Amino acid sequence: DIQMTQSPSSLSASVGDRVTITCRASQSISSYLNWYQQKPGKAPKLLIYAASSLQSGVPSRFSGSGSGTDFTLTISSLQPEDFATYYCQLSYSTPRTFGQGTKLEIK
Amino acid sequence: EVQLVESGGGLVQPGGSLRLSCAASGLTVSSNYMSWVRQAPGKGLEWVSVIYSGGSPFYADSVKGRFTISRDNSKNTLFLQMNSLRPEDTAVYYCARDSTYGSSDYWGQGTLVTVSS
Repeated sequence: DIQMTQSPSSLSASVGDRVTITCRASQSISSYLNWYQQKPGKAPKLLIYAASSLQSGVPSRFSGSGSGTDFTLTISSLQPEDFATYYCQLSYSTPRTFGQGTKLEIK
Repeated sequence: EVQLVESGGGLVQPGGSLRLSCAASGLTVSSNYMSWVRQAPGKGLEWVSVIYSGGSPFYADSVKGRFTISRDNSKNTLFLQMNSLRPEDTAVYYCARDSTYGSSDYWGQGTLVTVSS
């Protein structure tokens, strides 16, 4: 099975900051990498699919990059509503493993 | 508008069984890849199972042989039959529609399964 390593596990930042979250696959997954945002008590929300494609309705301050084994999610200017937990997920094969999550907190 | 509504969660004893349902509207379950994802209390997301539009099912190793994913085309509903339940299966279970590149773009609200004596 392909393993996903997401970092950092937590991150403190301020409104207006630029933040980057990384995800590494244990073997190449081409561009089959998705990013989700989850707020407490809510279902996950798709932000980025195919490594860099912005899901409809998601603000353009969110962006994704990478291919192969190394991927990043960038939020260009943090807004108050962005404080949440973020997960990467591979969809190249099954099991469609999620990363461990990154909890983004207000500094 | 797409809606996915899970039901069937509850409290069950270890070794027991439960069947979760995910009723869909605004999309046709049989024409889509449909997944189950779970989240244990205070933990991260764990992929559980997917059924392809052609009917092929796939499972996480942690549930293989105990859980069965299926669908009822006439009811436009996805199911997860869970047998031999263990305390570590305690989680909120979400159903989701898989879209481009296998991303899950529509999610239900989740249903809580608690396995405890």
